[in-house]
Amino acid sequence: DIQMTQSPSTLSASVGDRVTITCRASQSISNWLTWYQQKPGKAPKLLIYRASNLQSGVPSRFSGGGSGTEFTLTISSLQPDDFATYYCRNYNTYFGMFGQGTKVEVK
Amino acid sequence: EVQLVESGGGLVQPGGSLRLSCEASEFTFSSYGMNWVRQAPGKGLEWVSYISSSGNTKYYADSVKGRFTISRDNAKNSLYLQMSSLRDEDTAVYYCARDGLGATISPFDYWGQGTLVTVSS
Repeated sequence: DIQMTQSPSTLSASVGDRVTITCRASQSISNWLTWYQQKPGKAPKLLIYRASNLQSGVPSRFSGGGSGTEFTLTISSLQPDDFATYYCRNYNTYFGMFGQGTKVEVK
Repeated sequence: EVQLVESGGGLVQPGGSLRLSCEASEFTFSSYGMNWVRQAPGKGLEWVSYISSSGNTKYYADSVKGRFTISRDNAKNSLYLQMSSLRDEDTAVYYCARDGLGATISPFDYWGQGTLVTVSS
């Protein structure tokens, strides 16, 4: 199974900050990578697919990059609504695993 | 607006069984693969099982293989997860999530609100 490792596990930031989360795959997954946002008590929400494609309705301050084994999710200017936990997931197979999550918290 | 509504969660003793349901609306359910994803309290997301649109293709995580069975009834726009031989570590919120058309692999673009399963004596 391909393992997905996110860093950092927790990120402390302020409104207006530029933040970047990294996701590494244990082997190449081309660009079959998604990013999800989850708030407490809510279902995950799809943000990015195919590593860099913004899902419809997602603000343009979110962007994704990378290919192969290393990927990033960047929030260009952190907004109050963005404090949440973010997960990457590979979908090159049906068994795609999630990363362990990155919690973005108030600094 | 696509809707997925899970039900069937609850408290069950170790070794017991439970059947979860996910009712879909506002899209052609019979055209899409579906998944179950779970989240233990305070933990991350774990993919559990997949079923293709026709129901002919099914996959399971190693952690549930042989104990859980995924199925669907396209006439009722419903997805199911039959869980047996439940263990403490199966305690989680269970989400259904939509996959791609047919048997294609796609991002999980719609999720239900989740149903809590608690395994405890």
